[in-house]
Amino acid sequence: AQSVAQPEDQVNVAEGNPLTVKCTYSVSGNPYLFWYVQYPNRGLQFLLKYITGDNLVKGSYGFEAEFNKSQTSFHLKKPSALVSDSALYFCAVRDGDWGSSNTGKLIFGQGTTLQVKP
Amino acid sequence: DAGITQSPRHKVTETGTPVTLRCHQTENHRYMYWYRQDPGHGLRLIHYSYGVKDTDKGEVSDGYSVSRSKTEDFLLTLESATSSQTSVYFCAIRAGGENEQYFGPGTRLTVT
Repeated sequence: AQSVAQPEDQVNVAEGNPLTVKCTYSVSGNPYLFWYVQYPNRGLQFLLKYITGDNLVKGSYGFEAEFNKSQTSFHLKKPSALVSDSALYFCAVRDGDWGSSNTGKLIFGQGTTLQVKP
Repeated sequence: DAGITQSPRHKVTETGTPVTLRCHQTENHRYMYWYRQDPGHGLRLIHYSYGVKDTDKGEVSDGYSVSRSKTEDFLLTLESATSSQTSVYFCAIRAGGENEQYFGPGTRLTVT
């Protein structure tokens, strides 16, 4: 069965410092991986995805994520955090080896709250 | 917002009453999804649709039903609301070849 784990409920970082939000996954085939961000009282916003190719994926708002197949991880990173990055972050996965009956169902992690302090 | 609206945005209802939430999209996407969001659980899939009149269950479908009579509308019904269904409900559409999903603004439902 597919699963996603975000081992940290909260990550605290000072503004200007690099940030990392961790995600590990389990799928039976090749993974399609996604990061979403949720600001208070808003819906989820798509940040970036890994399907195939380069292990370092760049996304919106200066975020990037590194895919590591051997460690089954897809950590979200940003070189210099902003206070406005404070939000709830979700990692999601689906099995990329589905055929034409692929329903596109995603499995989400439980979320990590990022707090960036001035 | 990918042209997705949800209604109502907030609702308070009593235990045992039926409730219907509406998701409306304007871009003719085939796949639509209903999730619930609860602290510590992330988002969990309730039901999804892969076309008009084509729906299937997700991981937490008990107590919920869905209908899709038009491409643009996907309705979620709580047949007899319970306090455990107090949650924030999100609708999503699937767009693009790699299946990223785009979410509506959510409906906050409180069952008293």
